Amino acid sequence: DQQVKQNSPSLSVQEGRISILNCDYTNSMFDYFLWYKKYPAEGPTFLISISSIKDKNEDGRFTVFLNKSAKHLSLHIVPSQPGDSAVYFCAATQGPGVYSSASKIIFGSGTRLSIRP
Amino acid sequence: DAGVTQSPTHLIKTRGQQVTLRCSPKSGHDTVSWYQQALGQGPQFIFQYYEEEERQRGNFPDRFSGHQFPNYSSELNVNALLLGDSALYLCASSLKSRGGTKNIQYFGAGTRLSVL
Repeated sequence: DQQVKQNSPSLSVQEGRISILNCDYTNSMFDYFLWYKKYPAEGPTFLISISSIKDKNEDGRFTVFLNKSAKHLSLHIVPSQPGDSAVYFCAATQGPGVYSSASKIIFGSGTRLSIRP
Repeated sequence: DAGVTQSPTHLIKTRGQQVTLRCSPKSGHDTVSWYQQALGQGPQFIFQYYEEEERQRGNFPDRFSGHQFPNYSSELNVNALLLGDSALYLCASSLKSRGGTKNIQYFGAGTRLSVL
């Protein structure tokens, strides 16, 4: 039973345009959502997160939106750059409090983002 | 400041053998989690260690066991290896949440295990 789903295995976006990566989840008890980025031969790197009590979090070119009623979150990258080409994992945690990111992380299957010139 | 380090980077074993993977957490971190990432999938949580005890466990059989040492480093042991155990094994470290402080898990580059 996949609790975090990324239905698009791949996405190709032109450099300078917006990249939108989507994610759906089924467990309403998740209280914290994260996006990780992974380059080949490296471990996943934390990118941005959002608490379930918020609907938007922004960090530079990266913005994550959370729609709790739809159990959906998205990552927007504006503008997209060649270095953004990587696999992006949506993830979620469920813990005793809002900031429970030391709890186990449930990952989606990832979306491979390619930024073309 | 060294991040999370894992050894070895690659390993080849045969069915039925046993394997031990090692992880050194990021400086200052006290919690270690292990994940298995099969090809084309996201990482799956195996277990988490804090204060030298297993605190949480995912849906993995008892063939998967671990240990955490007083210096916070950790080992993952897998007995009676199956072909399906072939995967990238990732270690992540963090500081146990205290008082509502946000803590992020930092991942190592992983150990690629191939079972033949």
